[in-house]
Amino acid sequence: GDSVIQMQGQVTLSENDFLFINCTYSTTGYPTLFWYVQYSGEGPQLLLQVTTANNKGSSRGFEATYDKGTTSFHLQKTSVQEIDSAVYYCAMSHNNAGAKLTFGGGTRLTVRP
Amino acid sequence: GALVYQYPRRTICKSGTSMRMECQAVGFQATSVAWYRQSPQKTFELIALSTVNSAIKYEQNFTQEKFPISHPNLSFSSMTVLNAYLEDRGLYLCGVRQGAYEQYFGPGTRLTVL
Repeated sequence: GDSVIQMQGQVTLSENDFLFINCTYSTTGYPTLFWYVQYSGEGPQLLLQVTTANNKGSSRGFEATYDKGTTSFHLQKTSVQEIDSAVYYCAMSHNNAGAKLTFGGGTRLTVRP
Repeated sequence: GALVYQYPRRTICKSGTSMRMECQAVGFQATSVAWYRQSPQKTFELIALSTVNSAIKYEQNFTQEKFPISHPNLSFSSMTVLNAYLEDRGLYLCGVRQGAYEQYFGPGTRLTVL
């Protein structure tokens, strides 16, 4: 079946550090891939999405590349800030699946000032 | 821009009672609505998926008898948690798909069961 794996449960960085959050997926075909960010007490917010293999999505300094070869969609940011502290979820969806998303387990990012 | 509202944001109910929650899409027409539950130690559990012109489809471990859903138009959906018990507590999220790809979530309804 479909699955999304985020190996890192927690990541702790200092401000201006480089961020890398791992995400791999398993499915058939070419899903749409997403990154969501969830702040404490709120629902997940769409950070970026990519629908086409080998394309890159970017938003607010974050970027992720849809790598069909390695079935990965890692999230990166050159210089994190304290306000980036949140839980980040990788997710995927097939175009004919409606609003059904398959989520990874989430990665809690803590950025120290 | 696209916005998704959920009401209430928080609710407390006694064990065995029921509560209803609502989801409203503003600024766009939803082609599909999904209800999820985010439990304290888990990621997102899909409860049911509602797509325009199709029957509501419930995931395994979730039933219409326990979580009846109404999706009367393209911008509104409601779900009731019947006979709520401790294991039903969590953050209930409404995910709304716009078109073929973009999907937005509401802030959630946090359910506490006493």
